[in-house]
Amino acid sequence: NAGVMQNPRHLVRRRGQEARLRCSPMKGHSHVYWYRQLPEEGLKFMVYLQKENIIDESGMPKERFSAEFPKEGPSILRIQQVVRGDSAAYFCASSPGDPGSYEQYFGPGTRLTVT
Amino acid sequence: GDSVTQMEGPVTLSEEAFLTINCTYTATGYPSLFWYVQYPGEGLQLLLKATKADDKGSNKGFEATYRKETTSFHLEKGSVQVSDSAVYFCALTVSGSARQLTFGSGTQLTVLP
Repeated sequence: NAGVMQNPRHLVRRRGQEARLRCSPMKGHSHVYWYRQLPEEGLKFMVYLQKENIIDESGMPKERFSAEFPKEGPSILRIQQVVRGDSAAYFCASSPGDPGSYEQYFGPGTRLTVT
Repeated sequence: GDSVTQMEGPVTLSEEAFLTINCTYTATGYPSLFWYVQYPGEGLQLLLKATKADDKGSNKGFEATYRKETTSFHLEKGSVQVSDSAVYFCALTVSGSARQLTFGSGTQLTVLP
């Protein structure tokens, strides 16, 4: 039973390039969350998606960042025109979405380095 | 807003020592509480949870009790092992919210043989 899959595990981008991070939730899970972990800090919520819908993007920077969870395929977190401050670990989590079930299961993360 | 405050690390203990990592919270609604563990280079793993006051979550010798009167969820283990070395995160989510987790800043634990 595969867990949450993320790829790539490590991504290096030069300033100004685009970064695309992928997340495949656990089988049977329809809710996806993205979190960012800056060095020496805890995780900060970015966005919560269900299939084809963004439910809450209150933690997303207003510019350059976008997320989607299409009907088919993985969830994508896209960062345009990356800057050094975007260097962080980006974690995806999924949950089944059952009422009263609040557990989230995390992927191994994508470590983005902007040079 | 919601927030979680964790005991600052790093914490260094000898094997078989008693562990306590303090966690307190503020929440706008009725929270569910969690402890997650992160091993080097890996994602977060759910360690234990509690969904209502006075619940005790437990797993792998770790325990934490949901104390509404003190808004706390302290993590304890009676006898730590070298393999417990990791970063521990306290987190909450609020019933009825968008279910996002709010995390503490994490506590690095190192257990020496």
